[in-house]
Amino acid sequence: EVQLVESGGGLVQPGGSLRLSCAASGFTFSSYSMNWVRQAPGKGLEWVSYISSSSSTIYYADSVKGRFTISRDNAKNSLYLQMNSLRDEDTAVYYCARDTGGLYFPTRFDPWGQGTLVTVSS
Amino acid sequence: QSVLTQPPSVSAAPGQKVTISCSGSSSNIGNNYVSWYQQLPGTAPKLLIYENNKRPSGIPDRFSGSKSGTSATLGITGLQTGDEADYYCGTWDSSLSSGVFGGGTKLTVL
Repeated sequence: EVQLVESGGGLVQPGGSLRLSCAASGFTFSSYSMNWVRQAPGKGLEWVSYISSSSSTIYYADSVKGRFTISRDNAKNSLYLQMNSLRDEDTAVYYCARDTGGLYFPTRFDPWGQGTLVTVSS
Repeated sequence: QSVLTQPPSVSAAPGQKVTISCSGSSSNIGNNYVSWYQQLPGTAPKLLIYENNKRPSGIPDRFSGSKSGTSATLGITGLQTGDEADYYCGTWDSSLSSGVFGGGTKLTVL
């Protein structure tokens, strides 16, 4: 069974840092691009970042560019999101999602993890 | 303000049909595939439609997708109470070099 499990969320003060992880199982992780998508409380989905299977292509939403860094470790079947200089508006549930579109940009998110909540507050 | 525009809500009776629109531009929907996602209350989103009109295995044919120009449409027939959820369209925006979603549409089955 294909499974994605996020971890690392929690409460952090504005300006602080947090590192999210996404553990993948049930598929050949190194063959797929991956994404992070977030959802603020009561709001819609917002795409955050994309990384290709070999890490050669990376994209970020303008709202996180320069503050967030996406990475992956194919040997550990894991995806990461390093979040620095966190702001109140970064408060959200963060989902990791496999990209099955086969192109070098995000197109098709399937499946999604259960999400991890990040709360930025003093 | 989302790059893709969806109606905030739609409603219909059980057994009826509903459509949800998603409007964009030539830099996103006009030149890229559209996907649709269903988010049931309290759960993670699930892929419903990909490449404009294709259904992943396990998705019933009550769900359909189409695209014309810079707009896309999700159709749901034979509505069931279990279809009550938020529905999102998504695609790639070539000008922004960014993934983009619609603001979401809440479906109520009356």
